[in-house]
Amino acid sequence: DGGITQSPKYLFRKEGQNVTLSCEQNLNHDAMYWYRQDPGQGLRLIYYSQIVNDFQKGDIAEGYSVSREKKESFPLTVTSAQKNPTAFYLCASSGLSEGEYQETQYFGPGTRLLVL
Amino acid sequence: DAKTTQPPSMDCAEGRAANLPCNHSTISGNEYVYWYRQIHSQGPQYIIHGLKNNETNEMASLIITEDRKSSTLILPHATLRDTAVYYCCLNSGGYQKVTFGTGTKLQVIP
Repeated sequence: DGGITQSPKYLFRKEGQNVTLSCEQNLNHDAMYWYRQDPGQGLRLIYYSQIVNDFQKGDIAEGYSVSREKKESFPLTVTSAQKNPTAFYLCASSGLSEGEYQETQYFGPGTRLLVL
Repeated sequence: DAKTTQPPSMDCAEGRAANLPCNHSTISGNEYVYWYRQIHSQGPQYIIHGLKNNETNEMASLIITEDRKSSTLILPHATLRDTAVYYCCLNSGGYQKVTFGTGTKLQVIP
């Protein structure tokens, strides 16, 4: 059953602590993305990666870091430098479907991060 | 500066067609129109996308005006499970950055 998994569903962070959110996909997609969503708002792009071992900053990358060592995995670390980390974090991946000329982005179920 | 404009909320009677409008007057020639929906506390779900022709799949239909400055998502027979926030987005950039606005909150009423 193909898809994108994110873990954990809920995550609690103490002040000054780094936490890592997991994202795995088995869709064989090259590109992966991390978005942040605040209550009542749309999604904002944090980081994206088009291929393994390469990633680029999105619109709100400060206080976050990522790695892309494997095609299937794109973990996001929320560092202590992120002063307002409480949000809903969404991972996505994209690739070309058969017969398509445009990549479609698919999303995981999300991780809700709360600061204690 | 928002690239798409949607009404903040709409109601639809169960079993009736839900027509969700979206304005994208500054759309570029190579930008696709994408629709996603998000049920509370879940990840956005892809619905449909199109460039300039009308599109239909098992979930919905997408009608794009000839000048491509607006589009309408049609859910032909809305059910209670269609209650969600619907996002109209434009594709831009080689890595397919999707810009989400605040969407339309659709409430399907029994």
